[in-house]
Amino acid sequence: GNSVTQMEGPVTLSEEAFLTINCTYTATGYPSLFWYVQYPGEGLQLLLKATKADDKGSNKGFEATYRKETTSFHLEKGSVQVSDSAVYFCALSDGSFQKLVFGTGTRLLVSP
Amino acid sequence: DTEVTQTPKHLVMGMTNKKSLKCEQHMGHRAMYWYKQKAKKPPELMFVYSYEKLSINESVPSRFSPECPNSSLLNLHLHALQPEDSALYLCASSQEDRSQETQYFGPGTRLLVL
Repeated sequence: GNSVTQMEGPVTLSEEAFLTINCTYTATGYPSLFWYVQYPGEGLQLLLKATKADDKGSNKGFEATYRKETTSFHLEKGSVQVSDSAVYFCALSDGSFQKLVFGTGTRLLVSP
Repeated sequence: DTEVTQTPKHLVMGMTNKKSLKCEQHMGHRAMYWYKQKAKKPPELMFVYSYEKLSINESVPSRFSPECPNSSLLNLHLHALQPEDSALYLCASSQEDRSQETQYFGPGTRLLVL
């Protein structure tokens, strides 16, 4: 079946550090890939997405590239802020598009 | 506008109560979803409505009863819940189109069952 694997957290960084959160997937066909962010006490917000191989999604300084050869969709940001502290979920939609498959989530903690 | 609204924001109920959660979107989406999220876990799909008809029920206990009165509204009726049903309940919506399948989530209702 389809699955998403994310790196274990928490990821603890100082402000202005470089961020990478790894995400790999297993899927048949050509899934769409998503990163969602959940701030404390809130719902999920779409951060970025990519729908085909080599697409790069980007938003608010975050970016991720759909790599079919390595089945990966790693999230990166060049300089994190305290306000980026949240839980980040990688997810895929496999064409039975009503079902999202989520990773376990990675908590990011950014200190001043 | 990619807003999904949910009411109430918080809900406390006893095991014998009946309550309802409400969700609304005005993006013209024809698919709507209910998810349950426990602390430190990803959301778990409960129900999917497509064109106002129930298309997926992920074997959810009958004490949860979904309803889709029209294309913009989604309700979740709660009755005789258990303490283990305490969680964040998230609503989402999306287009019924493979090229626009992104799900947009509401802020959630935090439910506590006593």
